[in-house]
Amino acid sequence: AQTVTQSQPEMSVQEAETVTLSCTYDTSESDYYLFWYKQPPSRQMILVIRQEAYKQQNATENRFSVNFQKAAKSFSLKISDSQLGDAAMYFCAYKKEYGNKLVFGAGTILRVKS
Amino acid sequence: DAGVTQSPTHLIKTRGQQVTLRCSPKSGHDTVSWYQQALGQGPQFIFQYYEEEERQRGNFPDRFSGHQFPNYSSELNVNALWLGDSALYLCASSPGPNTEAFFGQGTRLTVV
Repeated sequence: AQTVTQSQPEMSVQEAETVTLSCTYDTSESDYYLFWYKQPPSRQMILVIRQEAYKQQNATENRFSVNFQKAAKSFSLKISDSQLGDAAMYFCAYKKEYGNKLVFGAGTILRVKS
Repeated sequence: DAGVTQSPTHLIKTRGQQVTLRCSPKSGHDTVSWYQQALGQGPQFIFQYYEEEERQRGNFPDRFSGHQFPNYSSELNVNALWLGDSALYLCASSPGPNTEAFFGQGTRLTVV
């Protein structure tokens, strides 16, 4: 069974600075997808960024980028120029190539200080 | 374009009761998945519905059942509620069984 591990229960960052959230996963599959979701107090899961395992290039979405290390099964999220609105719970998630069942990590609470 | 909508937003039930939660998928989406998110934890997959049939199921007992209607909306039913069923229940829809999901805001269920 696939598992996703987020080893940082909580992280803090100063506004305008950069923070990196860590995620490792375990799978025997060669093709799969990885995601970072943001869950603010409003509770709705918002997709931040996705990475296809077959792509070597790291995904980037504006201030959000990932460091995908397939051999190490590592998938970290870097948030640049942090903003107060980035404060939320962040979840790393895994999906097989087929099917849309998501396997989530336990989450990392991100606090942004002004 | 309305996103994924869930109802009700909150409800309180007593142990042993039954509950039905509802989900309307995003326009154009035909696949619905349900997740249970206990406080302080990541969501856990309950099951997925596509073409009105349960296609995948997570590690949840038979007390958890569902249904998908011809208009793609879905219900999650939980029988014989336990205190441990208290959680946020998230519905996610997608334009097919192999594509990424869009989430609703969830239903907060409290069992007392």
